[in-house]
Amino acid sequence: ETGVTQSPTHLIKTRGQQVTLRCSSQSGHNTVSWYQQALGQGPQFIFQYYREEENGRGNFPPRFSGLQFPNYSSELNVNALELDDSALYLCASSLAGPGSTSNIQYFGAGTRLSVL
Amino acid sequence: AQSVTQPDIHITVSEGASLELRCNYSYGATPYLFWYVQSPGQGLQLLLKYFSGDTLVQGIKGFEAEFKRSQSSFNLRKPSVHWSDAAEYFCAVGARRSNYQLIWGAGTKLIIKP
Repeated sequence: ETGVTQSPTHLIKTRGQQVTLRCSSQSGHNTVSWYQQALGQGPQFIFQYYREEENGRGNFPPRFSGLQFPNYSSELNVNALELDDSALYLCASSLAGPGSTSNIQYFGAGTRLSVL
Repeated sequence: AQSVTQPDIHITVSEGASLELRCNYSYGATPYLFWYVQSPGQGLQLLLKYFSGDTLVQGIKGFEAEFKRSQSSFNLRKPSVHWSDAAEYFCAVGARRSNYQLIWGAGTKLIIKP
C-alpha cells in the first residue's frame, strides 16, 4: 500500500464528454504527477504539480488540465473526450519537490477510463 | 531524443530459474533510473532505483539491477524467480533538472512456467 488513492476505479464516457479524475496523495507529499498508460504501453507523462502550481507538462493538448489543492490532493480534467483517451490514468505522489536531490514517486492503482 | 527501450515484450522463464530483463536508455542529463512492477489491476510498485554511487543496486523481492553508463543500460536481475513474480516490469528514467518527470519503457511481461 502506497497511501495514494484514486477515484473512481473505472469510468465509462462517450466521445465529446468531459471527465474529472481524482487523486489523494500520500500523507506529507507535496508533488503529484499524472500519467496516461494506454493498453500494452508504458506510462506517458501528462503533467506535474508542486505546491498547487503546474511544474512541467508532457506532450498532451490543453484539453488535459489539472489542479492541486492545498491539502495536495489533485484532479485531472479531460475535456472533449476522444476515443484515444481510453487508458489507465495513474497518479503518483512524491515527497521531494523541485530542486531536491531525490524523488521517488508512489503510484495509486489508477483509474481505467473507457471512451465509447 | 530521450527514450527508454525494453527490447523484450515478453519473457518466459521456469520457476526457480534466473532472470534478466533488459533496459537501455537515451538521456541527455545524468539519469536517475528506476524499475517498477505492475500486477494486473494494480498500480506501479517501485522495485529499486539508482541515483548515484554503487552501480549495483539491491531492491525488494530479491531483485537487483546494474547501471552500466558505457552501455546506457540498467538491467534487472533475479537469481531465482517465483510464480508470484509474474507481472509486467517497467524501466523508467528521470533527472533532477526535469523535476524527475519520468520517461518509461514499454514494459516487459514476465511469464513463469511451473
